Amino acid sequence: DARVTQTPRHKVTEMGQEVTMRCQPILGHNTVFWYRQTMMQGLELLAYFRNRAPLDDSGMPKDRFSAEMPDATLATLKIQPSEPRDSAVYFCASGFPGTEETQYFGPGTRLLVL
Amino acid sequence: GNSVTQMEGPVTLSEEAFLTINCTYTATGYPSLFWYVQYPGEGLQLLLKATKADDKGSNKGFEATYRKETTSFHLEKGSVQVSDSAVYFCARSNYGGSQGNLIFGKGTKLSVKP
Repeated sequence: DARVTQTPRHKVTEMGQEVTMRCQPILGHNTVFWYRQTMMQGLELLAYFRNRAPLDDSGMPKDRFSAEMPDATLATLKIQPSEPRDSAVYFCASGFPGTEETQYFGPGTRLLVL
Repeated sequence: GNSVTQMEGPVTLSEEAFLTINCTYTATGYPSLFWYVQYPGEGLQLLLKATKADDKGSNKGFEATYRKETTSFHLEKGSVQVSDSAVYFCARSNYGGSQGNLIFGKGTKLSVKP
């Protein structure tokens, strides 16, 4: 049963620290999405990759956030420096070639910045 | 603009009650429409989808019909169970700019009591 995996599942850190979240998309999927979920804003798209190339990162604060795909099996989302307002659940999702609109979500990383 | 609007929750029902969660969208063209479900502590899962007008998506007893004339995709289930308690997200495909991503509604929390 292929699934998107994310690590860590939970992260507590102090303001100013670097946070790195990792995602392993389903093997063979060529699109990867990063979302942030909060009670106030709901689900927000941060960045979107196709074939490892960034297609849209307009939803991401550029001064502190960065998203990369070092290879087809790993996507990373970094926050440096982190701030309390970054506290949220961060989801990664991947899509299958030709059906990218159907997204498969990982379990999320729950981040708390103190 | 291009958006998805769904009824605000929370929705609380007794087991075996009839469920409707309203969803309307605005878009240029004819997007694909989706319902995703998020169980507590998990990522979103695709529940059902419809890709063209008058299509009916169905899964696990849930149904939704793509209504072009009313730009709606309401979710229904004839008899809910306690295990259906979750947050339900309506979404549509986005054909502008970042082709391939989805635009999500705010989510509707459903609680089913025994």
